[in-house]
Amino acid sequence: NAGVTQTPKFRILKIGQSMTLQCTQDMNHNYMYWYRQDPGMGLKLIYYSVGAGITDKGEVPNGYNVSRSTTEDFPLRLELAAPSQTSVYFCATHPASGSTTGANVLTFGAGSRLTVL
Amino acid sequence: KNQVEQSPQSLIILEGKNCTLQCNYTVSPFSNLRWYKQDTGRGPVSLTIMTFSENTKSNGRYTATLDADTKQSSLHITASQLSDSASYICVVSAASGGNNRKLIWGLGTSLAVNP
Repeated sequence: NAGVTQTPKFRILKIGQSMTLQCTQDMNHNYMYWYRQDPGMGLKLIYYSVGAGITDKGEVPNGYNVSRSTTEDFPLRLELAAPSQTSVYFCATHPASGSTTGANVLTFGAGSRLTVL
Repeated sequence: KNQVEQSPQSLIILEGKNCTLQCNYTVSPFSNLRWYKQDTGRGPVSLTIMTFSENTKSNGRYTATLDADTKQSSLHITASQLSDSASYICVVSAASGGNNRKLIWGLGTSLAVNP
């Protein structure tokens, strides 16, 4: 049981390049999220998904795209990378949503550190 | 504006000592408050989650308190260990049902436990 796996752990991109950050979970969780964490800032939600085939924008979606073709995978695509996208990206999941607080506890991956030069 | 403020920004204590971290929030509507531990270079790990009606919740040597009237929470760490060195982040859910789309994240308190 690997939990939430993110790849790559580190990546350097040139301005204008594109890449995909991978996130895979083996917990059969419906809900998946992408966050970015910048120095001196709280985590910001980029995109989220409540199940396969359903995605929606979070707080800071510009410059990113996602897809959710399976329950397990939730890749984050960066098109035309910009220096402002230099950050640490975290994927997170939880099983369900509702009044049961335990169902909403997020499990995070180890993060992907991206630098755009 | 929904905000979560934590204090102190950083803290250094000796191994074996206790410490208390503070979290003040102005978030509406309030659903629940969480504390996460984030080790350097790792993702956050949940410590506690409390709803409006819960005043205290413990997880081993970690005890969180919540005062929904004053909109304050604290995280108390007992008998600190070197492995407690990390950033501790307070997070408030601004939606009913604990919807994770509306999480307001604090900046964290960086704790260093020295031998």
